[in-house]
Amino acid sequence: GAGVSQSPSNKVTEKGKDVELRCDPISGHTALYWYRQSLGQGLEFLIYFQGNSAPDKSGLPSDRFSAERTGGSVSTLTIQRTQQEDSAVYLCASSFDRAGKYEQYFGPGTRLTVT
Amino acid sequence: KNEVEQSPQNLTAQEGEFITINCSYSVGISALHWLQQHPGGGIVSLFMLSSGKKKHGRLIATINIQEKHSSLHITASHPRDSAVYICALASPFGNEKLTFGTGTRLTIIP
Repeated sequence: GAGVSQSPSNKVTEKGKDVELRCDPISGHTALYWYRQSLGQGLEFLIYFQGNSAPDKSGLPSDRFSAERTGGSVSTLTIQRTQQEDSAVYLCASSFDRAGKYEQYFGPGTRLTVT
Repeated sequence: KNEVEQSPQNLTAQEGEFITINCSYSVGISALHWLQQHPGGGIVSLFMLSSGKKKHGRLIATINIQEKHSSLHITASHPRDSAVYICALASPFGNEKLTFGTGTRLTIIP
């Protein structure tokens, strides 16, 4: 079966531009997570969606970052007015339910480079 | 002090050796995840533990909730096991974010 997919795989953008990153979770997975891995840094939580509940946005680093999940499936992470420090690999993961109960399945990531 | 600490940070071993990677944490958890990240970035979930021990092939993961400690063991290590191994904590308080360790870079030499 299909795993978690993300697009684009690579994105190079100029400082100040907006970018949209897409995640297609595994069908039937109600939980969706966005993470960020900066060069030389560990994984960092950004946002969590669970079913129809309000998302947990506690990890978003600034108000330039936002995410939505339409129809309980596809999610888009938007970064406005990108800065060089936004350069990182953005990873999406999905699971059947919350992180305390089920394993997470990770997508291949989107490598974002802000020049 | 970080909520989750992994050791060692780097580990190089000969093929066939028994490998142990440790994860200690200082907060309450509902579960602990072990993840594997290969060069090139792909992340695979190896285990999710809330108690006891789990085994999958040559991989074994254990957790001691009272001591707030988990270990990942690899038996009969192979060069294809070379990767970064990451432990991550799932909060018990309804906030479902994972808190990640910094990872252990494992290199198995043929």
